[in-house]
Formats: sequence, structure tokens, C-alpha cells
Amino acid sequence: NAGVMQNPRHLVRRRGQEARLRCSPMKGHSHVYWYRQLPEEGLKFMVYLQKENIIDESGMPKERFSAEFPKEGPSILRIQQVVRGDSAAYFCASSPLRDKGNEQFFGPGTRLTVL
Amino acid sequence: TQLLEQSPQFLSIQEGENLTVYCNSSSVFSSLQWYRQEPGEGPVLLVTVVTGGEVKKLKRLTFQFGDARKDSSLHITAAQTGDTGLYLCAGDSYYGQNFVFGPGTRLSVLP
Repeated sequence: NAGVMQNPRHLVRRRGQEARLRCSPMKGHSHVYWYRQLPEEGLKFMVYLQKENIIDESGMPKERFSAEFPKEGPSILRIQQVVRGDSAAYFCASSPLRDKGNEQFFGPGTRLTVL
Repeated sequence: TQLLEQSPQFLSIQEGENLTVYCNSSSVFSSLQWYRQEPGEGPVLLVTVVTGGEVKKLKRLTFQFGDARKDSSLHITAAQTGDTGLYLCAGDSYYGQNFVFGPGTRLSVLP
């Protein structure tokens, strides 16, 4: 069983460029979550998606950030016009169901560096 | 706003010692998870606790969920250097849609 896959593992962008982060959930999982982690800090929730739907985007900045989880293909976190403060590790997690005892399985993360 | 607090923030101990780390909140959670994260990697799920007062054991690790479902503890017996890492608790709310993570306890086990 393949786990949650994220690519790229490392991404370097210059200020003003766009960053696209991809996440393929575990097979059979239809729920995807994106988190951001700054060095020496915990995980900050960004957005929760099901196939073709954004369920909760309360943790995502209103500007420059967007996320999608299409019917086919991976979930994408898109950051437009990146700034140095966007440098962080971005983790994706997936789960099969949204119920009591919900368990999330994490990918290895994408480390974004903005020069 | 639901917040999870973890203590201590940092912990450095010798191999063979016992330790307990805590996860506390003023909010009630329907379930609570513990994860361990190593540098450069994603968090790995250790355990999920669902019932108030529940105790789960995973080899040398013992997890407890408070009776009121507001807090949890992780006890490690005879720590090993391989236990080194960032321990995160995360709560699943009855009311919100998303997961809430604590800031983590960074454990260092010295040989």
C-alpha cells in the first residue's frame, strides 16, 4: 500500500513566482488536509477538502493561496506571488472517513524555500 | 477557538529514564491522536484515543485520555535514543471541521 505522496519534496522559488504543491492521498481516502509547519513549531491547519469540494478553508490566507482536489488527480495547493514568509514545510494528510476517531496519515512534506 | 497546549515544550533525558508529556485543553474533543515526527519527515500516527478515561499501550508507550476528554498524557518507560523526536497531540472537535494540533514536545534521549 502506497502511503500519502507529496511532490516535489523540495521547491525553491523566487519572490513573486508561483508554487504548486501536489498531494496524492492513500488509496481509498477521499479526505485531504493541508498543514503548514514553520521551523521548531507545530502544524497549522490550512484547508480540508473532499473530492471536488472545499469543506473548511478557515486556516488558509485569503489572498494568494488556493487549494483544490479534483475528481481525478492529486490535490493541489497553489501559492501565487510567493513571499519570503511563505517559506515553510507544507504537509498533506489523508483520511478515509470523517467520523469519530478520525485518523490522518501524513505525507513526507514539501519544503518550500523562497529566495 | 480550540487550543491544545503541550508540556513540557522541550525535554532532554538519559536513556533508560521514564518520562511523561502532557496535552491539555479547555475544550472537549471527540477523539485525540498522538503523532511522532522526526526531522525532515511527516508526522506518524502513534495512537487514537476515543473514550474518556481510555488507556492504550503501545510497547513502552502508555497513552491516557482524560475522563472529561479535555486532556491526554503520554508516558514512555525506559526511554531509548530511538524515541527522540517531536511528539504532537491533535484533537478532533465535536463542533469544528478541522483538526487542532498542539505545538509539540521536543524529546531528546541521550545515550
